[in-house]
Amino acid sequence: DADVTQTPRNRITKTGKRIMLECSQTKGHDRMYWYRQDPGLGLRLIYYSFDVKDINKGEISDGYSVSRQAQAKFSLSLESAIPNQTALYFCATSALAGFTDTQYFGPGTRLTVL
Amino acid sequence: KQEVTQIPAALSVPEGENLVLNCSFTDSAIYNLQWFRQDPGKGLTSLLLIQSSQREQTSGRLNASLDKSSGRSTLYIAASQPGDSATYLCAVYNNNDMRFGAGTRLTVKP
Repeated sequence: DADVTQTPRNRITKTGKRIMLECSQTKGHDRMYWYRQDPGLGLRLIYYSFDVKDINKGEISDGYSVSRQAQAKFSLSLESAIPNQTALYFCATSALAGFTDTQYFGPGTRLTVL
Repeated sequence: KQEVTQIPAALSVPEGENLVLNCSFTDSAIYNLQWFRQDPGKGLTSLLLIQSSQREQTSGRLNASLDKSSGRSTLYIAASQPGDSATYLCAVYNNNDMRFGAGTRLTVKP
């Protein structure tokens, strides 16, 4: 079984809908991250969490919120989806402080907002 | 604001060729730099991580170098194979901020 899983893998939704993307990990890592990837732009950090009680905004947090329900679970919500949030979303985990250790990525969720 | 650039955006080589992928960044004050591989429909896999105090890291046929003063890193792939075909991304970390390049899409032809 994969160490980092994301659900759903694909989602099509309409403008204005609320949507949640979920991430679970079995690696026992404290640190979890949400990124989005757009063609030609690489990955950009949305939110990150260094432990269950810690939530931090990344480069592009506007329009998104997160919840760290447990060490193993980190969900990303779009309160009112808009078309420019169409992207590939990745969850990642790491073991050591900050970004100074290897990050392990999930397979991604492809989100389309119509 | 840190900006990371990868050139070329795409590269096609015949099998067996040695090749170099380039990554440049605008702010030399970094803690580390990572190279990742991304396969279609899959997440990223970390290949090599270079701490700011290091000049290079090696893993098998891969060698990554870092020159902080010039804001450059290279990923050298020796004796390329069709299985190396993927998108390669570099990312730099500084002050709780990780910035990725857009990647180089590599195709190794049999």
